[in-house]
Amino acid sequence: DVKVTQSSRYLVKRTGEKVFLECVQDMDHENMFWYRQDPGLGLRLIYFSYDVKMKEKGDIPEGYSVSREKKERFSLILESASTNQTSMYLCASSLLGDEQFFGPGTRLTVL
Amino acid sequence: AQSVAQPEDQVNVAEGNPLTVKCTYSVSGNPYLFWYVQYPNRGLQFLLKYITGDNLVKGSYGFEAEFNKSQTSFHLKKPSALVSDSALYFCAVRASNTPLVFGKGTRLSVIA
Repeated sequence: DVKVTQSSRYLVKRTGEKVFLECVQDMDHENMFWYRQDPGLGLRLIYFSYDVKMKEKGDIPEGYSVSREKKERFSLILESASTNQTSMYLCASSLLGDEQFFGPGTRLTVL
Repeated sequence: AQSVAQPEDQVNVAEGNPLTVKCTYSVSGNPYLFWYVQYPNRGLQFLLKYITGDNLVKGSYGFEAEFNKSQTSFHLKKPSALVSDSALYFCAVRASNTPLVFGKGTRLSVIA
């Protein structure tokens, strides 16, 4: 079975802190994705990556950056966390053109 | 640009009755359509997909979905609902070589 793991299930940070969310997949998938999920808004794509060291902006990249130094790992970075970034963050991976497999999510609260 | 509409925020159904969760989409070219389910405090789980072929797609946990090109719909169905089907359901679409676009989700509540 494909496994996508995220470094934390729950995270509490203060406004202005730099926040790292880590995602690791174990199935050698080329594609990796970061979404945020908010009630009534569904899932919105922040960034995605089709290969190591490649990244593409999604629908809401402002305030975020990403890093993909290794194929299995895709990190989401909040350079200076703000309260409007309080959300559930979901990581996913897939083979090219195939369905996405999701991690359990990280619920981030920014105070 | 592609988009997905799930017109119902909430669907309530009695256990044992058939259920339908609606989804319509807009995409340029041939659509790749997906349904996912999310249980409380969990990530999304893949249910089924339509890429090409038979319009009726069967998936996990007894769910199926029917692709209707003329109505641009991909409704999720199950003949007999279980209480354990209660969850948040997401429809998603993409064109070839583009990321998935998700609907806003429909909360299904199955009442015993």
